[in-house]
Amino acid sequence: KNEVEQSPQNLTAQEGEFITINCSYSVGISALHWLQQHPGGGIVSLFMLSSGKKKHGRLIATINIQEKHSSLHITASHPRDSAVYICAVRSRGSQGNLIFGKGTKLSVKP
Amino acid sequence: NAGVTQTPKFQVLKTGQSMTLQCAQDMNHNSMYWYRQDPGMGLRLIYYSASEGTTDKGEVPNGYNVSRLNKREFSLRLESAAPSQTSVYFCATSIVLDQPQHFGDGTRLSIL
Repeated sequence: KNEVEQSPQNLTAQEGEFITINCSYSVGISALHWLQQHPGGGIVSLFMLSSGKKKHGRLIATINIQEKHSSLHITASHPRDSAVYICAVRSRGSQGNLIFGKGTKLSVKP
Repeated sequence: NAGVTQTPKFQVLKTGQSMTLQCAQDMNHNSMYWYRQDPGMGLRLIYYSASEGTTDKGEVPNGYNVSRLNKREFSLRLESAAPSQTSVYFCATSIVLDQPQHFGDGTRLSIL
């Protein structure tokens, strides 16, 4: 079993829809990251969180430490949101290692 | 600002050849990382450098070596390339180890 599981693997939405991507993990963590990988391959860090909720524009990330679960929400989705969204965790006591999920491929249709 | 620059962007090698992937950053970050990304798998850490003068193994270090040449530069060397090392390689940096990472555009490496 992978230590970081994302669901769904693939997601197709219509422009304007509210989108939720889920991440579950099995280890104790010190932080969780959400990243976005563009169709051209570039990777951008969206959020780092260890508790509660963070918001940036139309993106919202939440984490429930007790349930070992995080969600990434996109409000009013747009075709430019089409990308692969990656969840990664830093296990407690780890120095350099992030453990990455396999990603969720999102396609937003106009 | 260039951010994190990786060279080359593409490379084809024959089995047994050697090569060095270069990574340079102008963000004044202390920590640098090398990852590989393979189809159907998450990013995997090869090596990282917490600060200038230090390097440590990640999850998949076999077949690779690294050099933290100075604060700006972190290179990844394949001494004897194998087809299993065909992958997309990403360099990343962060201010310190436990902070968000900034990624280069990647190097697509094929080994025949």
